Amino acid sequence: SQQGEEDPQALSIQEGENATMNCSYKTSINNLQWYRQNSGRGLVHLILIRSNEREKHSGRLRVTLDTSKKSSSLLITASRAADTASYFCATDKTSGSRLTFGEGTQLTVNP
Amino acid sequence: DAGVIQSPRHEVTEMGQEVTLRCKPISGHDYLFWYRQTMMRGLELLIYFNNNVPIDDSGMPEDRFSAKMPNASFSTLKIQPSEPRDSAVYFCASSLEGFGYTFGSGTRLTVV
Repeated sequence: SQQGEEDPQALSIQEGENATMNCSYKTSINNLQWYRQNSGRGLVHLILIRSNEREKHSGRLRVTLDTSKKSSSLLITASRAADTASYFCATDKTSGSRLTFGEGTQLTVNP
Repeated sequence: DAGVIQSPRHEVTEMGQEVTLRCKPISGHDYLFWYRQTMMRGLELLIYFNNNVPIDDSGMPEDRFSAKMPNASFSTLKIQPSEPRDSAVYFCASSLEGFGYTFGSGTRLTVV
């Protein structure tokens, strides 16, 4: 099965609200990454958090990592209609090893 | 840099035909990955290269699939013969070790 599993599978919110997506994984990791995919497009790297980090920010994005619970969350604040996309978490076990992606969360931000 | 460039963007072919997908990674990146995406199976890693050398091809579904990276600026994924179940979006991505991946726009393959 996939290393990362996102929750929820789908999320629908109003513009301006915050969106929180969660990711759980099974084995120890080197780092965890979040990606966005707009319909019909390739994945875009959003943020990378290393296993020794607990929180990271990038603009309206906030990522947390809890290695004891093997989970991560992605928070998008003040969401916009343009944030509508699928969001994937991905993990690798060691530096230079393969990235394994979860099944993604489909986020819809209604104007 | 123009990013990771994949060609063609769309490919429609008949069952049994050979299909070749192409990828130009970002200059200087030392890793190259081929992924396949379908609704049923999500994103699957097919194979990846480090410094042009295949490292892990355990995701290649069958012998019908092969991938090469003759130099640091070019890779191909070949399916011969193609089957309808190979229909998917195939992505190429490149990266530097320890950093995020840059994905291409993908090739949407339809085998009829």
